[in-house]
Amino acid sequence: AQRVTQPEKLLSVFKGAPVELKCNYSYSGSPELFWYVQYSRQRLQLLLRHISRESIKGFTADLNKGETSFHLKKPFAQEEDSAMYYCALSFSGGYNKLIFGAGTRLAVHP
Amino acid sequence: DAGITQSPRHKVTETGTPVTLRCHQTENHRYMYWYRQDPGHGLRLIHYSYGVKDTDKGEVSDGYSVSRSKTEDFLLTLESATSSQTSVYFCAISEAGRNTEAFFGQGTRLTVV
Repeated sequence: AQRVTQPEKLLSVFKGAPVELKCNYSYSGSPELFWYVQYSRQRLQLLLRHISRESIKGFTADLNKGETSFHLKKPFAQEEDSAMYYCALSFSGGYNKLIFGAGTRLAVHP
Repeated sequence: DAGITQSPRHKVTETGTPVTLRCHQTENHRYMYWYRQDPGHGLRLIHYSYGVKDTDKGEVSDGYSVSRSKTEDFLLTLESATSSQTSVYFCAISEAGRNTEAFFGQGTRLTVV
């Protein structure tokens, strides 16, 4: 069965520190992986997807099929990055249904 | 923001009563979904629709039903609300195709007392 694991409930860092939010998945085929973010009082929105290999707001994520991971990284955290981050998996033929991890709350302190 | 709205935004209801949540989209996206968000669980899929009158169960469908009579509307019904259904409910939409983005509504906070 497909599964997404985010081992950290809370990640607390100071402004300017590097950030890595961990995400591991289990899926036997070729997954489609995403990071969604929910800022306070806002709706969930897409941050980035693995297929695009893009950098959004300074965040990057690389799909490592050998380690079945899709960790989210940013070299220098900003206070406005404080939010709830969800890693999600979708798969071919699945009507784009998303399987979410439990989420990691990132708190960036001044 | 994508044209997706949920109503009501907040609701308090009593155990045993039926409740219907509405999701309305103006994007003409084919796929629609209902998720519930609970601490420690992230978002879990309740039901989804892949076309008008085409729906299927998700991971946590017990106690819920859905209907989609028009492309733009997707209704979620709690047939007899229980305290375990106290949650935040999110509707989402997406186009067909691989690696497409899902757009989410603002959420409905439901409390069953």
